[in-house]
Amino acid sequence: GNSVTQMEGPVTLSEEAFLTINCTYTATGYPSLFWYVQYPGEGLQLLLKATKADDKGSNKGFEATYRKETTSFHLEKGSVQVSDSAVYFCALTLQGAQKLVFGQGTRLTINP
Amino acid sequence: NAGVTQTPKFRVLKTGQSMTLLCAQDMNHEYMYWYRQDPGMGLRLIHYSVGEGTTAKGEVPDGYNVSRLKKQNFLLGLESAAPSQTSVYFCASSTINLEQFFGPGTRLTVL
Repeated sequence: GNSVTQMEGPVTLSEEAFLTINCTYTATGYPSLFWYVQYPGEGLQLLLKATKADDKGSNKGFEATYRKETTSFHLEKGSVQVSDSAVYFCALTLQGAQKLVFGQGTRLTINP
Repeated sequence: NAGVTQTPKFRVLKTGQSMTLLCAQDMNHEYMYWYRQDPGMGLRLIHYSVGEGTTAKGEVPDGYNVSRLKKQNFLLGLESAAPSQTSVYFCASSTINLEQFFGPGTRLTVL
């Protein structure tokens, strides 16, 4: 079946540190890939996406590259801020599907 | 545009009581979803709809019912609330590209 696996959290970093949150997937076909972010007390919001292999999604300083050979979509940011503290979800969908498959989420805390 | 709105924001029920959560979207999206999120856990899909008048079961449908009588609204009902249904409930909507837009959530406590 289709699934998404994220690195275990929580992740705690200092401000200005480099961030990587790993995401790997299993899919029967060629999925579209998403990263969603959930700030405290809020719903999820789309952070970035990529729809085909080697695409790079980017937004708010975050980037993720769709790697078909390693079935991965790791989230990176060069210099994190306290305001990046949130839960991050990786997700996939296949063409013609009616729903997303979410990973379990990774809680990120940035200390000043 | 208000996006996706949920009513109510908070609710406390006693075991056995019933209630309906309302989700409304003003983006003319075809697809709508209800999820629950428990502490330390990710999202679990309860029910979803791919168009007015249609509904389908997700991962955890037991104890919930839904209706989509109008395209812009998706209702989630609890017929007889149980403490295990204490959770935060999120509604989402999307076009067929599945880029989902989420509401702010409803925090439900069942005593």
